[in-house]
Order: sequence, then structure tokens, then C-alpha cells
Amino acid sequence: DTAVSQTPKYLVTQMGNDKSIKCEQNLGHDTMYWYKQDSKKFLKIMFSYNNKELIINETVPNRFSPKSPDKAHLNLHINSLELGDSAVYFCASSQQGGVDIQYFGAGTRLSVL
Amino acid sequence: SQQGEEDPQALSIQEGENATMNCSYKTSINNLQWYRQNSGRGLVHLILIRSNEREKHSGRLRVTLDTSKKSSSLLITASRAADTASYFCATDAGTGRRALTFGSGTRLQVQP
Repeated sequence: DTAVSQTPKYLVTQMGNDKSIKCEQNLGHDTMYWYKQDSKKFLKIMFSYNNKELIINETVPNRFSPKSPDKAHLNLHINSLELGDSAVYFCASSQQGGVDIQYFGAGTRLSVL
Repeated sequence: SQQGEEDPQALSIQEGENATMNCSYKTSINNLQWYRQNSGRGLVHLILIRSNEREKHSGRLRVTLDTSKKSSSLLITASRAADTASYFCATDAGTGRRALTFGSGTRLQVQP
């Protein structure tokens, strides 16, 4: 039973399109995150939600909009995709806030052509 | 530059050898964590060490923390081919301690 699952695993799309990535965790955690991992493997926090409330928004373009319908789900919608958005996006969750151990999904590799 | 910078960026060793990776950070922390990422997969938590701890063990892993030097090291003893992965340290000092800050990792290749 996958603890943190995100779909799709791969996403190939054209510039200017809008796409969504879904994430679900069955660990009963209160906090969920989206990270972006670039080609150099650097992992950067994008958003954090605690019990459906936005906690962190790390200067991400407003083309990125997270949505948390309940504390087990955190989806990421991206409008008007750009070439620079190509990366691997990871969802994660933790029992409490950011200093707690985090559990990661397998990642979504987004390629913008 | 970022919190949690790993050194070296890449490391290649033979099976059975020990692998040591280092991490440096810039501001005070409450804890430091190490994660492993296999190719094409998500990160997996390995070990957490608190700021008042100097050393911690978990199986073949040994982590040390020197808060005076703002550095940590991860030692993998008797490495195996299956240890091939990227290893990241993460600190809780970023974003007002509301999130972990990761470095760019050390890519470890263990040759069978």
C-alpha cells in the first residue's frame, strides 16, 4: 500500500498548456508539501499545507496553484507551462510541521516542449 | 548558497569499502536529516540527528554532527551495490523552521 502516491509519473506537454499533478497520502499526516527537483538534483520547497491551510509559498510564480481539498490530498495545477517548468515534482507529507521526517512520493517528471 | 551543501558531489567506490559524505550548513538548526534517493524514485528518510546529539547509528549508517563547525557526515560501512543512490542532507533552518532545506546531494556509485 503506497504511503504517498502521485499521478501521473510522467507528463509531457507543450508550452502554454495547463496541467495538474495529483497527490494523496494514506499516512494520516497533517502536513503535505510540493518540491521541485531540477536537473542538478537540487530539491526546493514550493508549497506546504497543514490541514488544508497554506503554510509555505516559496516565491513560486502564480501560474502554480496548489489545492488541498482535504488533508490527505494536495494537488498542483500549473497554468501556461513554460520550458523552465521542466523538472521532477515531488509530493511529500509529514506528521507535523517541516522539521519532522518527511515521506515522499515517487515523483512526476514534467517535460515541457 | 544553500543550506545543507553536500560534499563530494559524486563518489565512486568498490563494494565492501566505506563511503563518507559530508554536509555543511549555515545557520543554527534543531535537527539534521539524511535521505536517500534511488534513480527515478522519491527520497527515503535514513536518519535524523538532533542538535544536542553528536553521533547516531542505524545499521551500517553512522551520522555525526558538529554544530560548532556546522557540519555533518554520513558514513556507510561495508557498502553494497544496492547502496548506489544520491544522498541528501536536510536541515530545519530554512523558512522559519517550517520546512526542510535540502542540498543538491552526493551521488554514490558502488561498483560490484
